[in-house]
Amino acid sequence: EPEVTQTPSHQVTQMGQEVILRCVPISNHLYFYWYRQILGQKVEFLVSFYNNEISEKSEIFDDQFSVERPDGSNFTLKIRSTKLEDSAMYFCASRQAGADYEQYFGPGTRLTVT
Amino acid sequence: AQKITQTQPGMFVQEKEAVTLDCTYDTSDQSYGLFWYKQPSSGEMIFLIYQGSYDEQNATEGRYSLNFQKARKSANLVISASQLGDSAMYFCAMRESYYGQNFVFGPGTRLSVLP
Repeated sequence: EPEVTQTPSHQVTQMGQEVILRCVPISNHLYFYWYRQILGQKVEFLVSFYNNEISEKSEIFDDQFSVERPDGSNFTLKIRSTKLEDSAMYFCASRQAGADYEQYFGPGTRLTVT
Repeated sequence: AQKITQTQPGMFVQEKEAVTLDCTYDTSDQSYGLFWYKQPSSGEMIFLIYQGSYDEQNATEGRYSLNFQKARKSANLVISASQLGDSAMYFCAMRESYYGQNFVFGPGTRLSVLP
């Protein structure tokens, strides 16, 4: 069964450094998402991406964040200058076109900012 | 205001018993979708069940069913015949509007199944 993959599974970085989290969505999916989950808290929407542009973003997704689909398969989240409070699990998700389809989540990347 | 409310931070259920996890939502849209996800201790998010706002019948997927009460804006998850492997966090989520992209998640309920 096709699945969303994410790399790395765990990333440790120093405050102020840039990180890029990578995702490979399911190949026939058209909508892509990034979420974050701070340890023990709920899943928070960051951004959705469709047709090579951001379709929605939350207040969390400020100028420090950017997303890109550099080729036909990868979908990346970049954090320009990480802060301690960026430490969280970051989930990528994708879904097919059509309103009734669920999102399929990747296994997540645990980001630790020290 | 909270879009998704899950009032039970933790629940216990005996193995083989049924359990209901509560979810209420807030939206002014007429067309929306409701989803339940399971997050085991390993961390991944697993889709369980979906209910569209215009669906007249409650959704069912194996041991999972969704008790959808539109007038009360509730979408409770019912797990029948609980198994030890059902122990996990359960999140209720909503996609507002027919073409909306934003999925809003509730705070989750931690379910523990006792042997």
